[in-house]
Amino acid sequence: GQQLNQSPQSMFIQEGEDVSMNCTSSSIFNTWLWYKQEPGEGPVLLIALYKAGELTSNGRLTAQFGITRKDSFLNISASIPSDVGIYFCAGLRNTNAGKSTFGDGTTLTVKP
Amino acid sequence: EAGVTQFPSHSVIEKGQTVTLRCDPISGHDNLYWYRRVMGKEIKFLLHFVKESKQDESGMPNNRFLAERTGGTYSTLKVQPAELEDSGVYFCASSQSYRHIYGYTFGSGTRLTVV
Repeated sequence: GQQLNQSPQSMFIQEGEDVSMNCTSSSIFNTWLWYKQEPGEGPVLLIALYKAGELTSNGRLTAQFGITRKDSFLNISASIPSDVGIYFCAGLRNTNAGKSTFGDGTTLTVKP
Repeated sequence: EAGVTQFPSHSVIEKGQTVTLRCDPISGHDNLYWYRRVMGKEIKFLLHFVKESKQDESGMPNNRFLAERTGGTYSTLKVQPAELEDSGVYFCASSQSYRHIYGYTFGSGTRLTVV
C-alpha cells in the first residue's frame, strides 16, 4: 500500500534549538497535514497545506508543501519542553474521500 | 463541544477472545474513521463511515474485524477472535461533511493488548 517515509524517526534536542523533520512519498498528494500526539492522547492537527509550494506558520511551527507534491516539511523554532511528542505527517488525495495516509511519526524529546 | 470519545481506554484480552471498542464522534460529524497504530509504525487506515454507511473499508485486515455505526451515531469495532498481531492503539476520528481536508478530530485511542 501507499507509504509515507517520515524522518528522522526520533530526535533528542536541547531546549531552544530548532527542529526540522520531513515526509516523502513516491506519489502525489493534494493535501498535507501535520499532527502532534502527546502521551495518552490522540493526534491533534497542527497545520494543513493545500497548494504546492505553500508555506504556512502556526506560532513557532512552519510547514511547507513541496513543489513536487510528493513531500512536506515541518520546522519548529526555539523548541521548548512542551514540544515533546510524536509528530505525524499525513497526505490526502481528492479521490480518497477523506482517507488519510500517515507516516510512521517523528518522536521529539526536548531536554531542558 | 465534546470531543471524540473512545472506550475503553485500555483492554487486555487473551488470544481467541472477543473485544468490542466503541467510539462516540463529535455530534453532527457525518464522517467517522477508524485507524490503528501497531508497534510504533504508521497510523494505518481501517475504514470510513459516512453516516451509517461504510464508505471505504479497504483497510480492514481480515474478516475477524467488524465495524458498525448504528443510526449514524456511535460506532463499534469488534475483533473476534483476537490474535496477538491485533495488539496496538485503535484510534477513532470524525469530521464534518466535506471538511476532512481540514483534518480530523481524533479520540484518545484504545490501547489493545492481546496476550
